[in-house]
Amino acid sequence: QLRLEEPGPGLVKPSGTLSLSCRVSGESTSTSYYWSWIRQPPGKGLEWIASIYYSGSTYYNKSLESRVSISLDTSKTQFSLKLKLTSMTATDTAVYYCARTNGYDAFDLWGPGTMVTVSS
Amino acid sequence: EIVLTQSPDTLSLSPGGSATLSCRASQGVSSSYLTWYQQRLGQAPRLLIYGAYRRAAGVPDRFSGSGSGTDFTLTISRLEPEDFAMYYCQVYVISAGFTFGPGTKVDIK
Repeated sequence: QLRLEEPGPGLVKPSGTLSLSCRVSGESTSTSYYWSWIRQPPGKGLEWIASIYYSGSTYYNKSLESRVSISLDTSKTQFSLKLKLTSMTATDTAVYYCARTNGYDAFDLWGPGTMVTVSS
Repeated sequence: EIVLTQSPDTLSLSPGGSATLSCRASQGVSSSYLTWYQQRLGQAPRLLIYGAYRRAAGVPDRFSGSGSGTDFTLTISRLEPEDFAMYYCQVYVISAGFTFGPGTKVDIK
């Protein structure tokens, strides 16, 4: 059974870099799906961050594009996100989810999410 | 940029009742890329409906989706206690990527 898990650092400092990985078990990331990151600030709605196709093509939310990169490691069946943090702690504090994206561009399987708090 | 508006913000209903949730797009979108999610408190979102009306695997048939163009609806009939949650619509548009609506909360009256 396919499972996604995104362990996170918990606490990160402002102006640093957030690095997250999503471990995919039960399926290879080499199959013809997109793999995506979505985040949700406390008490707020969902925001798409980035997606990567199994071939390596990448797609970014234009509002975050200058600070984010997504990559795929097919040999390790995982994909990763790097986000350059701002000096504003609230901007990037959120639960970060990884998800598989199906042929209808719907996020059909989600990881449980990891809470990332940006604070000095 | 595409904006999704969901209404109402909150729907207060009793178990056994029916819910009608609206999602309106600021421009016409392909029905193929309109999706609905359910998010229970403290949990990750769960895919309910994709392609405007297609139920995801394991989703009960009391959930149904409809609509086209700019107006889409999620209907929940015979509300069960586990249906009281947040519901988000989402669309994919090639020029803007993935966009979520702000959500509708269905709570117990």
